[in-house]
Amino acid sequence: DAGVIQSPRHEVTEMGQEVTLRCKPISGHDYLFWYRQTMMRGLELLIYFNNNVPIDDSGMPEDRFSAKMPNASFSTLKIQPSEPRDSAVYFCASSFRRFNPQPYGYTFGSGTRLTVV
Amino acid sequence: GENVEQHPSTLSVQEGDSAVIKCTYSDSASNYFPWYKQELGKGPQLIIDIRSNVGEKKDQRIAVTLNKTAKHFSLHITETQPEDSAVYFCAFRRRYSSASKIIFGSGTRLSIRP
Repeated sequence: DAGVIQSPRHEVTEMGQEVTLRCKPISGHDYLFWYRQTMMRGLELLIYFNNNVPIDDSGMPEDRFSAKMPNASFSTLKIQPSEPRDSAVYFCASSFRRFNPQPYGYTFGSGTRLTVV
Repeated sequence: GENVEQHPSTLSVQEGDSAVIKCTYSDSASNYFPWYKQELGKGPQLIIDIRSNVGEKKDQRIAVTLNKTAKHFSLHITETQPEDSAVYFCAFRRRYSSASKIIFGSGTRLSIRP
C-alpha cells in the first residue's frame, strides 16, 4: 500500500488566488481527516469525514475553507480566496474502525506545504 | 473540555540516556492515548498507543504509562539513539458514540546529543 497520498507537496500562491489540496486515503479506510500545522497553533483538526460524509467541520477557520469527499478514494481541501495567514502545512490522514484490537490509529500523508505571498 | 497539555516543549538528552515526555488530559471519558513521532518533512507517524484499561505498554525501547486517576500519561524512550530525534505528539480520543476524533498535544522537540 502506498499510504496516504497528498498533492502537491509544495504550493506557492499569491494572495487572493484559489488553492486546492488533494488527498487519496488508504484503500479501505472509512475515516478521513484534514489537519493544519503551524508553529503557533500546532496540529489543528479542520474537518473529518466518515464514509465520505462530513461529520465535524467545526475546525474550519472561515467560509473561505471548504472540503469535499466525492468518493472513498479522493478528498479536496479548497481555500478561496487564499490569505498569507493560511500559510501552513496541511496534512490529510485516514483510519478505519476495527473492533479489535486498536481501532483508532491514524495514517498521515506527507503533507502539503502552502505558502501564500 | 477537549484539551491535553504536553511537557516539555523541548528536550535534549545524551545519546544512550532515557527521555520522558508527559501529558495531562482533562476529559475523564478519554479511552485511547496514542503517541506520534514526526520527523522533518514528514507527517506524524503512530509509534505506540494505549487504551484506558491498560496501565503500561512496551515496545522495544519505547514504553507508555497511563494513570487514569491522575489523568496523565507518559512516553518513555530508553537507550536513545540519533534517529530518535524528532517531534513527539501525545494525543487522546474521547469516547463518543460514533466519532473517531483525536486531539493532539502541542508537541515535544526531542534532540539526541552525540
